[in-house]
Amino acid sequence: GAVVSQHPSRVICKSGTSVKIECRSLDFQATTMFWYRQFPKQSLMLMATSNEGSKATYEQGVEKDKFLINHASLTLSTLTVTSAHPEDSSFYICSARDRGSSYNEQFFGPGTRLTVL
Amino acid sequence: GDSVTQMEGPVTLSEEAFLTINCTYTATGYPSLFWYVQYPGEGLQLLLKATKADDKGSNKGFEATYRKETTSFHLEKGSVQVSDSAVYFCALMGGFQKLVFGTGTRLLVSP
Repeated sequence: GAVVSQHPSRVICKSGTSVKIECRSLDFQATTMFWYRQFPKQSLMLMATSNEGSKATYEQGVEKDKFLINHASLTLSTLTVTSAHPEDSSFYICSARDRGSSYNEQFFGPGTRLTVL
Repeated sequence: GDSVTQMEGPVTLSEEAFLTINCTYTATGYPSLFWYVQYPGEGLQLLLKATKADDKGSNKGFEATYRKETTSFHLEKGSVQVSDSAVYFCALMGGFQKLVFGTGTRLLVSP
């Protein structure tokens, strides 16, 4: 099946710093990538949808200036958490939709655990 | 808005036991329904799906039937294995092509 990677798998940072998380589709081209956030014992919440070459579409309540998303190529999307604070600590998961697939299946990355001290 | 409710875990079973994980949904229109599985340290993987009422999705011995009348999509397996231990997520995709997930149910299978 299609593989999506995320880097780093876990990161610890100090409050006020910025952290960048990468999401890559390894063996397919992804016109659309999604970023989710997962709190302990809660479901995945969609944060934003990014389309290659255009601005991301953010879900209601998600601060676009805090969570910067860039989808510069068909295989890479990045999420930058700017001026991170402890409440941003969470598990961030990306997914990608295969450009060549006739069905809108999303392939998920393994997630990135962010801890802000 | 659209939502998915699934039973809380963990569900603890012995090997070869019968598994049911309940999932109900609320949605406008006719969503597609999914079960995803997340093994430790890995990303979510699509386990099975159903796109219309009365469809049965099946994979690796797991089954789920799209029940429009009860708005349910319960996951079942006749005989679980230790290797089935994972977190299972029920999800729907509605008219905006966005996935809406349940909270996940952890399954623990002991030998």
